[in-house]
Parts: sequence; C-alpha cells; structure tokens
Amino acid sequence: SAVISQKPSRDICQRGTSLTIQCQVDSQVTMMFWYRQQPGQSLTLIATANQGSEATYESGFVIDKFPISRPNLTFSTLTVSNMSPEDSSIYLCSVEGRWNTIYFGEGSWLTVV
Amino acid sequence: AQSVTQLDSQVPVFEEAPVELRCNYSSSVSVYLFWYVQYPNQGLQLLLKYLSGSTLVKGINGFEAEFNKSQTSFHLRKPSVHISDTAEYFCAVSPNYGGSQGNLIFGKGTKLSVKP
Repeated sequence: SAVISQKPSRDICQRGTSLTIQCQVDSQVTMMFWYRQQPGQSLTLIATANQGSEATYESGFVIDKFPISRPNLTFSTLTVSNMSPEDSSIYLCSVEGRWNTIYFGEGSWLTVV
Repeated sequence: AQSVTQLDSQVPVFEEAPVELRCNYSSSVSVYLFWYVQYPNQGLQLLLKYLSGSTLVKGINGFEAEFNKSQTSFHLRKPSVHISDTAEYFCAVSPNYGGSQGNLIFGKGTKLSVKP
C-alpha cells in the first residue's frame, strides 16, 4: 500500500490569504489527485496532477484558485488562493496504487476565518 | 455522468447487530465500485472494491458488499458490528474506461453509530 503524508494536518487561516498543502508519497506514482470535502458533504475531485504536465481541473475548479504543482513522482502541492470562509474544508491527496486501489492521505483540515 | 446515492445519512445500531448501508448509483457506462471508511479525525481507508468477477466482495474488518447490476446497487453489510465500527462510510464509483480509477464520484456518506 502507499503511505501518503500531508502537511499541514490542520490550519486556521485569515480570509484573503493563501495556503499551500503538501502531499508526499512513499513510492513513485504516475497520477495524484486532490479532493475537497466541505463540512457535512462528500468528497469532490478538484484536479488530477500528472508529473511533468499541467493539472487537469474538474468542472467548478480553476487553476487561479487552486494552483497545483507536481515536480516529481512522489510529491505534489495544492494551493488554496485568496481564501474565503467557503474554502473551509478538508483537502485530501490521493494516489492510485497497485491493482487500481486508490489511497488517501489523512487530509488537511482548513478553517478560514 | 455518474452519480451515487447513499440512502441513509445516519444509521444507529446496537453492538453485535447486523447492519446494511445502502448505496445506489447511476451511470451510462460500466463502473468500478468502492466503499471507504472514515474514522473520526482520520483520512479515508478503502474497505473493499468491485472491479469485475464475483459480485460478492469481501473486504477488511468483516465487511462485504454485493454488486447488483440490475438494481444498480452496491450495499455494504456486516453480520455483527462492533463499537469500533463507528465511522462514516462512503460509497464511490469510477467509470470503467480502462484507465486510472482516481476520478472517484462519492456519495454523501452514511454515519454508522454503534451503541453498546
């Protein structure tokens, strides 16, 4: 199985600021995914990040708001820009491991005040 | 497009009782099906998955699920629950395009509360 570490695990941020979330995997993976889980809601895919190419965003998510980097096969970052209280969510990194199994990190719990 | 409906937002049950968490999906293409569990203040853990083959899938912690194509359902069951099963359970699907399964569509989750 893949071990995924996310930083920060929790943060409280001021509105209008930006926060970068890091995702580190213990093995090389081709595709990494970023999900958002808003309070009381289910998970929604933000974007897919492949190493060496621009991330592919899902409907409703744009690069200016959620820029993503994927500098190598074990690391990715998601930035939440110009935050508002509506961005208060859990942000989860996930990867596809062997046998089509999707592994998730512990999540980054973000509160915007 | 795909969608997932988890019919119960909360399921209270007594310890050692059986439980079924319901999941229905809608899709114009064939799909892969998953159940994940989220314990309080933790990330998601894969319980089980259906990719192909036998429609009865066994997962971790004594859980199993049955894929019913005609009813487009993938209900999760456990014959006897423990206090430690208290968590939120998410059903998810991904379209079977033969590629990555990372684009998961999740249901809204079912909170299972096991009481002594």
